[in-house]
Amino acid sequence: DADVTQTPRNRITKTGKRIMLECSQTKGHDRMYWYRQDPGLGLRLIYYSFDVKDINKGEISDGYSVSRQAQAKFSLSLESAIPNQTALYFCATSGNRGEIGELFFGEGSRLTVL
Amino acid sequence: DAKTTQPPSMDCAEGRAANLPCNHSTISGNEYVYWYRQIHSQGPQYIIHGLKNNETNEMASLIITEDRKSSTLILPHATLRDTAVYYCIVRVRTDKLIFGTGTRLQVFP
Repeated sequence: DADVTQTPRNRITKTGKRIMLECSQTKGHDRMYWYRQDPGLGLRLIYYSFDVKDINKGEISDGYSVSRQAQAKFSLSLESAIPNQTALYFCATSGNRGEIGELFFGEGSRLTVL
Repeated sequence: DAKTTQPPSMDCAEGRAANLPCNHSTISGNEYVYWYRQIHSQGPQYIIHGLKNNETNEMASLIITEDRKSSTLILPHATLRDTAVYYCIVRVRTDKLIFGTGTRLQVFP
């Protein structure tokens, strides 16, 4: 089983719909991240959380919200999806306290907004 | 944040060493250099990181210049499975990682 699991892996939705992407991890890490990737581009950071009570905006947080329900779970929500949010979304985790050398990524969630 | 500059694409023959350059002329003294790669649309994979000294692991070697303004990732014997986008990232160790657009490495037979 994967250490970082994202659901759903693929989703097609319509403009204006609310969408939630979920991420769970079994690595016992405190730090979790949501990234977005558009075709031909690198990853852009949406939100990150260094522990359950700590949520921080990344480069492109507008239009997104997150919830850290537990140490192992970090969800990304699009309250009212729009077509330019069509992208590949990645969740990642990293080691605890002062050690951020290695990020562990999920397999990605491909979202299409029509 | 220190920015990085990488060539958009490179080719390498299978079995040869692949040397991927990265410029980070504005790097600060406490910023590390990280390398990741992304195969197709999979989640990026950590390769190696370093601060000042050269580093080597089972995947690659990282050579950082003495002035730390540039670095090179070396894949000693490239295989077709090393075809990927390689990202060079500079960041303070305790903070978030920001990815750029990377170098697309094509390994050919």
